[in-house]
Amino acid sequence: AQSVTQLGSHVSVSEGALVLLRCNYSSSVPPYLFWYVQYPNQGLQLLLKYTSAATLVKGINGFEAEFKKSETSFHLTKPSAHMSDAAEYFCAVRTLEGGGNKLTFGTGTQLKVEL
Amino acid sequence: GAGVSQSPRYKVAKRGQDVALRCDPISGHVSLFWYQQALGQGPEFLTYFQNEAQLDKSGLPSDRFFAERPEGSVSTLKIQRTQQEDSAVYLCASSLKFSRDRGRPGELFFGEGSRLTVL
Repeated sequence: AQSVTQLGSHVSVSEGALVLLRCNYSSSVPPYLFWYVQYPNQGLQLLLKYTSAATLVKGINGFEAEFKKSETSFHLTKPSAHMSDAAEYFCAVRTLEGGGNKLTFGTGTQLKVEL
Repeated sequence: GAGVSQSPRYKVAKRGQDVALRCDPISGHVSLFWYQQALGQGPEFLTYFQNEAQLDKSGLPSDRFFAERPEGSVSTLKIQRTQQEDSAVYLCASSLKFSRDRGRPGELFFGEGSRLTVL
């Protein structure tokens, strides 16, 4: 079964600093991987997705993620944090059980951006 | 509307009450999912519809949970005899593509969720 593990439930960075949110996956087949962002009291919004094309995926709001098969990782990065990036971030893997397109989410990482 | 709409946004129920949560997916979206998000956790899959057919209900935690999508558009998640452990945010998501499309997965669009608190 496919799964993802997010390391660090809380990450704090200064405004303008590098953002690095970690995600490792476990999958017996080539995975489809996703990063979602959730602002308070809102639903999840897709940041980016990896679907076996380019290993470096660029998303919205300046975020990008790199698929590294050798490390089974799909870490999310942003060169310069902005106050508006404060939110919870979820890594997810598409699972093939039940016909596909079902997502299994990590436990989330709360990003705090400080002045 | 342009997005996935869920109602009510907030629901407080007494233990033992029945509740019904509604999801209006994006018009024309074939696939519809329900997820449960407990406090401090990631969303967990409950059930999946393709049009009106419920193809996967493996995530429903008990037989008190029931979902339907009779006309292939609006869906209702019903929880009978609510318990405190049912307190969570219930998220609905829809997708244009068929689930069994083994190509690139269709993007899931999530609603804002219905927050259920069981006292």
